Amino acid sequence: GAVVSQHPSWVICKSGTSVKIECRSLDFQATTMFWYRQFPKQSLMLMATSNEGSKATYEQGVEKDKFLINHASLTLSTLTVTSAHPEDSSFYICSARQGTYEQYFGPGTRLTVT
Amino acid sequence: GNSVTQMEGPVTLSEEAFLTINCTYTATGYPSLFWYVQYPGEGLQLLLKATKADDKGSNKGFEATYRKETTSFHLEKGSVQVSDSAVYFCALSDLSLLIWGAGTKLIIKP
Repeated sequence: GAVVSQHPSWVICKSGTSVKIECRSLDFQATTMFWYRQFPKQSLMLMATSNEGSKATYEQGVEKDKFLINHASLTLSTLTVTSAHPEDSSFYICSARQGTYEQYFGPGTRLTVT
Repeated sequence: GNSVTQMEGPVTLSEEAFLTINCTYTATGYPSLFWYVQYPGEGLQLLLKATKADDKGSNKGFEATYRKETTSFHLEKGSVQVSDSAVYFCALSDLSLLIWGAGTKLIIKP
C-alpha cells in the first residue's frame, strides 16, 4: 500500500513551452501533497504544499506563476512548469500524505529544458 | 530555525564494513527524526524513524537512536552490502513539514 506515482518519469521540452507533471496517490486519499525539487548532489527543496481543494502554499523564493500547482482531487496533484527555461531543468519529486501520517514519495520526474 | 546537518559524501566502504553516517539537528520542541534512502533510479523511501528521545529506529539492519543530549540521529549498520549503495537523507519533522539534510551518497565496493 501507500504508493505514489508520477507521470511522466522523464520529459524533455523546448525553452518557452510549458510542461505538466502529475502526481497520484494510488491506494489512499492524499489530503496533502508536497512538491520538491532536487538538484544534482543536493538535498530536496520544498517548493509548495497543497491541500485538496485549496490553493497551494509556496515556499519563499518559488514563483507561483511559474510553477502552477493544482490539487483538484484527493488522489491527484499537478505541477505545471510554465514558460520553461534551461535553469528549470531538475528532478521534481512529489509526496503525498493522508492526514498527519507520514509522507510517501513518488519516483520523481526528470525535466530537461533545451 | 530548524535544520539538519549530515556528513558530506560520498562515503566509500568495502562490503561487510561498519557504517556510520552522522546526522545532527537543531530544533525547537520535540521533532520526529527520519532517515530516508534513495536507491539509484528510484524514489525516496522511508528507512527508519524515531519519534522521541532515546527511541531507536531500525530497519533492514540499519539503526539510529534519537539522542536529545547530543541532538544527533546517526545512522549505523554493522555490515554493509553492495545493495546498500544509495543516497541517504536525514530529516526532521517540523510540525507538518520535513526539514532535510543534504544527503550522503554511500558507495559499497565488493
